[in-house]
Amino acid sequence: DIVVTQAPDSLAVSLGERATINCKSSQSVLYSSSNKNYLAWYQQKPGQPPKLLIYWASTRESGVPDRFSGSGSGTDFTLTISSLQAEDVAVYYCQQYYSSPLTFGGGTKVEI
Amino acid sequence: QVQLQESGPGLVQPSETLSLTCTVSGDSINSYYWSWIRQPAGKGLEWIGRMYNGGSPNYSPSLKSRVTMSVDTSKKEVSLKMRSVTAADTAVYYCARAGEYGFLDYWGQGRLVTVSS
Repeated sequence: DIVVTQAPDSLAVSLGERATINCKSSQSVLYSSSNKNYLAWYQQKPGQPPKLLIYWASTRESGVPDRFSGSGSGTDFTLTISSLQAEDVAVYYCQQYYSSPLTFGGGTKVEI
Repeated sequence: QVQLQESGPGLVQPSETLSLTCTVSGDSINSYYWSWIRQPAGKGLEWIGRMYNGGSPNYSPSLKSRVTMSVDTSKKEVSLKMRSVTAADTAVYYCARAGEYGFLDYWGQGRLVTVSS
């Protein structure tokens, strides 16, 4: 199984400031023939299901504000919220879909 | 607008079988993978398995011996059965849709299942 690790477990960011979340996979999730990283990011607010934010490591899902961006390749990835808004308070998860079983990181709680 | 709705008993006796159904509306049930994911209270997400209509299901190795998934295209339903449950299986259970590759673009609201006598 590919183990996915996130850091930090939680972070507090001031409104308007940048939030950075890291995600590391135990093996590469870059599929060489397509040059795509099989890595997604989700946002989960209290009492709600997760919401897809980013797939292919850096492609924003339709309707996701452009203050959210994903980067990285291979085994190391980052989710950046460029200017934190109050509605961004949530837990963020990364997930690899390179191989089965699909696995999630442990989550990062973002607070104001 | 794709919508997924989980349903089933919210309380299951230890050693019994957990049975949940996910009803899909707003799109075809074909051409997609359908996954089940669970989340114990205050904890992270655990993938249970997925299946594609007409294909072989794919289960998490840690749950494979206890889990069965199926798709009923006529009812537009995806089902999950988990046998011999214990308190450790208490969680919110989500169904979710994935395209060809595996990222989960639509999720149900979740169903809390408590295993207790």
